[in-house]
Amino acid sequence: AQRVTQPEKLLSVFKGAPVELKCNYSYSGSPELFWYVQYSRQRLQLLLRHISRESIKGFTADLNKGETSFHLKKPFAQEEDSAMYYCALSGSGGSYIPTFGRGTSLIVHP
Amino acid sequence: DSGVTQTPKHLITATGQRVTLRCSPRSGDLSVYWYQQSLDQGLQFLIQYYNGEERAKGNILERFSAQQFPDLHSELNLSSLELGDSALYFCASSASGGALEQFFGPGTRLTVL
Repeated sequence: AQRVTQPEKLLSVFKGAPVELKCNYSYSGSPELFWYVQYSRQRLQLLLRHISRESIKGFTADLNKGETSFHLKKPFAQEEDSAMYYCALSGSGGSYIPTFGRGTSLIVHP
Repeated sequence: DSGVTQTPKHLITATGQRVTLRCSPRSGDLSVYWYQQSLDQGLQFLIQYYNGEERAKGNILERFSAQQFPDLHSELNLSSLELGDSALYFCASSASGGALEQFFGPGTRLTVL
């Protein structure tokens, strides 16, 4: 069964500090991995996906198949990064059932 | 608004009742997904439809059913409601059948009393 684990419910940092939101997954094949973000009073929206290898709003995430991880990182947190972050996995090769982690609330203090 | 829309925003009902939640996908998107978000369970995938056909099924109870109509809007029917069904129900849409990028609606908050 596929599973996504976000071990931290809450992550609290100061502005300018580095941020790493952890995500570990369990999947027998080759997964597609995503980070979604929900800012206060806004909809859940896609932040980035591993296949595009892009940096969005300063965030990056690298898929580590050996450690089955897809941690989200940003070198210098900003107050506007405060939000709920969800790691998500989608199967591939015909099985597209999406699985979301329980989310990590990031609070960036001024 | 060409984004995903969901109605109603809020729904309060009693145990044993039946409700219907409605979702209109983004213009051009063929796939619709339904999720349930409760405090203790996080975001749980319920079911996906693609161009009118059921594509994938998640943790959807037998008391729940969904369908996607020819105009691509979708309805999620919840029957014999229990207190534990109180949750936020999200709809999302994507262009293809694969879950590459999903666009979420604002959600419907269901309260069962």
